[in-house]
Amino acid sequence: QVQLQQWGAGLLKPSETLSLTCAVYGGSFSGYYWSWIRQSPGKGLEWIGEINHSGSSNYNPSLKSRVTMSVDTSKNQFSLKLNSVTAADPAVYYCARGGVVVLPEAIYYYMDVWGRGTPVTVSS
Amino acid sequence: SSELTQDPAVSVALGQTVTITCQGDSLRSYYASWYQQKPGQAPVLVIYGKSNRPSGIPDRFSGSTSGNTASLTITGAQAEDEADYYCNSRDSSGNPVVFGGGTKLTVL
Repeated sequence: QVQLQQWGAGLLKPSETLSLTCAVYGGSFSGYYWSWIRQSPGKGLEWIGEINHSGSSNYNPSLKSRVTMSVDTSKNQFSLKLNSVTAADPAVYYCARGGVVVLPEAIYYYMDVWGRGTPVTVSS
Repeated sequence: SSELTQDPAVSVALGQTVTITCQGDSLRSYYASWYQQKPGQAPVLVIYGKSNRPSGIPDRFSGSTSGNTASLTITGAQAEDEADYYCNSRDSSGNPVVFGGGTKLTVL
């Protein structure tokens, strides 16, 4: 059974860099998209970006200028860095495994395994 | 545009059937997936593809799609189904992955 374990600093000051890591246990690291999603207090889910095992990444355009994702295939881990955090960035940050299936009539995408979430606070 | 639209709130009587919808242009090319989220917990995938259920998801959950609208149906809603539900898909314009705003389901 695949599990994601995530960790990182939960209290940041404005302008600091948020840094989180997610480790994949019990399954393959290749063949999937590894995503970060966040949820601000009382709000919905916001996709931050994704990376695959070869390091190819896609980011949410609204956050792209501040986001960097990386992978460490030797440890089956992937990481998120979000620069210059502000009062708009406090949220629970989740890592998740994404899969894509291509069919003749359509494509489907799903995130079937999620980390437990890391609450992040930004305060001076 | 890269967005999925959901009704903010829906209610259903215990044991009855409820459908939660999700609209967006991306759904013409990509099937939606659906997630259940209970307070203080991570989202859980309940439906993906045409109407596929991950292991452990009750068969009262089903999905369908028509045009730009995806639907999640719960047939015989239970008290434990009370939660927030989010739809999600990939998108070929703008944001590569999009979520709906979420629907809060209340079981009466």
